[in-house]
Amino acid sequence: AQSVTQLGSHVSVSEGALVLLRCNYSSSVPPYLFWYVQYPNQGLQLLLKYTSAATLVKGINGFEAEFKKSETSFHLTKPSAHMSDAAEYFCAVSAPGFFSGGYNKLIFGAGTRLAVHP
Amino acid sequence: GAVVSQHPSRVICKSGTSVKIECRSLDFQATTMFWYRQFPKKSLMLMATSNEGSKATYEQGVEKDKFLINHASLTLSTLTVTSAQPEDSSFYICSATIRGPASTDTQYFGPGTRLTVL
Repeated sequence: AQSVTQLGSHVSVSEGALVLLRCNYSSSVPPYLFWYVQYPNQGLQLLLKYTSAATLVKGINGFEAEFKKSETSFHLTKPSAHMSDAAEYFCAVSAPGFFSGGYNKLIFGAGTRLAVHP
Repeated sequence: GAVVSQHPSRVICKSGTSVKIECRSLDFQATTMFWYRQFPKKSLMLMATSNEGSKATYEQGVEKDKFLINHASLTLSTLTVTSAQPEDSSFYICSATIRGPASTDTQYFGPGTRLTVL
């Protein structure tokens, strides 16, 4: 079965510092991986996705993630944190053949709350 | 592009009443939509998959008669919480799927609906 583990429920960084949010996955088939961001009382916004093309994926707002098969990881990074990056971040895995009603469903990690302080 | 709306954004109701939540894909057609429930400071729990023109597929443990899903068109799915009880209070989020090549589905999320049952 597919699963996602996000290490660290809370991460705190200074403005301008490197952001690193960790995500490890488990999948019996080649995975498709996603990072979503959620601001308070809002839905989820897609940051980036890995779908078996380039292993280094660039997303919106300066975020990027690298797929490392040997480590079963898909960590999210941003070189310089902004105050506006403070939010909840979710890693999710989907996989071909993992169906719910005919379409691939997503399995979400528990989320990591990112705090950015001045 | 890929905008999903939900209505209402907040609803407060008395126990025993039914509440309908709408999910619309505004600029694309979505044959499949998903309904999630999110508890405070928790991850998203998939409730059901809504397929246009057919019955919804419910996840294990989700009561079909409690959470009625209708997907009448390619841009609209509705979730009706019947005879709502205080324990149904939660944040409900829908997503609509765009199918990519080789089943690389991407889900785009609505802004969520906060349901409070008194």
